[in-house]
Order: sequence, then structure tokens, then C-alpha cells
Amino acid sequence: GEDVEQSLFLSVREGDSSVINCTYTDSSSTYLYWYKQEPGAGLQLLTYIFSNMDMKQDQRLTVLLNKKDKHLSLRIADTQTGDSAIYFCAERENDYKLSFGAGTTVTVRA
Amino acid sequence: EAQVTQNPRYLITVTGKKLTVTCSQNMNHEYMSWYRQDPGLGLRQIYYSMNVEVTDKGDVPEGYKVSRKEKRNFPLILESPSPNQTSLYFCASQSRGAGVHEQYFGPGTRLTVT
Repeated sequence: GEDVEQSLFLSVREGDSSVINCTYTDSSSTYLYWYKQEPGAGLQLLTYIFSNMDMKQDQRLTVLLNKKDKHLSLRIADTQTGDSAIYFCAERENDYKLSFGAGTTVTVRA
Repeated sequence: EAQVTQNPRYLITVTGKKLTVTCSQNMNHEYMSWYRQDPGLGLRQIYYSMNVEVTDKGDVPEGYKVSRKEKRNFPLILESPSPNQTSLYFCASQSRGAGVHEQYFGPGTRLTVT
């Protein structure tokens, strides 16, 4: 499978911005995804971006893609306690399979 | 409501005692798969199925079996569980022709093997 790497932990103060980083390896065109996993729940797709785009914004979420460095980031503006979760970066391997990173545990402190 | 269900949600068992984790979807999806999630490793695919009676190995199939006798169900079978299979398991389904971003995930089954 493809190699997707991300840092494991992030602690952020409520109201601040969170930035979660990810690197991937596939050099061909692909889709890249961010999933959120709340405690005791399954995976929820947050957003995705095609590799020919530089940025995608959706309300409080901003995805930035640096194709040259194969670096993807997810910025959450005005982080709330409900944003505490594990965030997975994933790369499309084919029409049916995703390669996931290890997940970044985001803890929001008051 | 479109959903993927898994049972049980939590299971504690002993080494060697056969168990089955069920997965069912109500969306008439052709594709189903199983992942395991381990700390620091993310989700890794165990097995997948493109349709009824069509199954194939994923990245970490050792110690697992699956079957796909009906379109809606895709059980995961551990014939002789071992402690290294302690993990969080997710089932997923997707319609053929849909993008992988339209894959639905179940709520997860937390398995502990002692």
C-alpha cells in the first residue's frame, strides 16, 4: 500500500486554530481525505481534495496541499471541545481502497 | 436510514475460542471490507469482497477468514484468536461505481483476546 504519515498527538486551546499535518507518497494524481473518529464512533469523512488543487475550504475546515513536498494539512479554525477526536489522513489507492495514516489525536483544552 | 451495523460492539474472549463478528449493510452495496485499527498504525485492510462469493485478501489477512454468502452480510471469522488480534475492527461498504469517498463505515467492534 501507499505510505501515509502523520504526527500522533496535538493539544490545542479552545478557540485557537488546529493544524494537523500529513505526508503521502503517491506521485500520481489521486484524492486525499481527512476523516474524523470521535470516541466510540466510526469514521466520518470530513473533506477531501484532488491532487491538482492547492486548497479547499469548507466552513471552519481548510485543506492545504503542497504537491511538490507531498504534504497535506487540515486547519480547524476556532477549535471547539467537540473537535476532540482522532483525525486520519488517507490516500486513495484505487476505486475501493484507502491507505490511512496512523491518526492524530487532537485534545482541546479549555 | 442507510447504515452499516456490526455486532458485537465489544467482545472479550480467550485465546483459541472461535468467534465471529458480523457486519451488515442495508444499502445494497456490492463492495464490503474489514479493517483493523491499532494505535500508531492507523487502519489496515484485512479482507474485502467485490460481490457475493467474491472475496480477497487485504494487507493483513493472517488469522482471519471471511465469507460473503449474501450481499448484505460480510462476517469476519477468527478461528483461533490470539492476543495480537486484540484491536478495533471496522467494516465498510460501498456501491460499485461510487467513489471511495462514499464508503460507509460501521461503528466498530472492540475485541480483546486474553
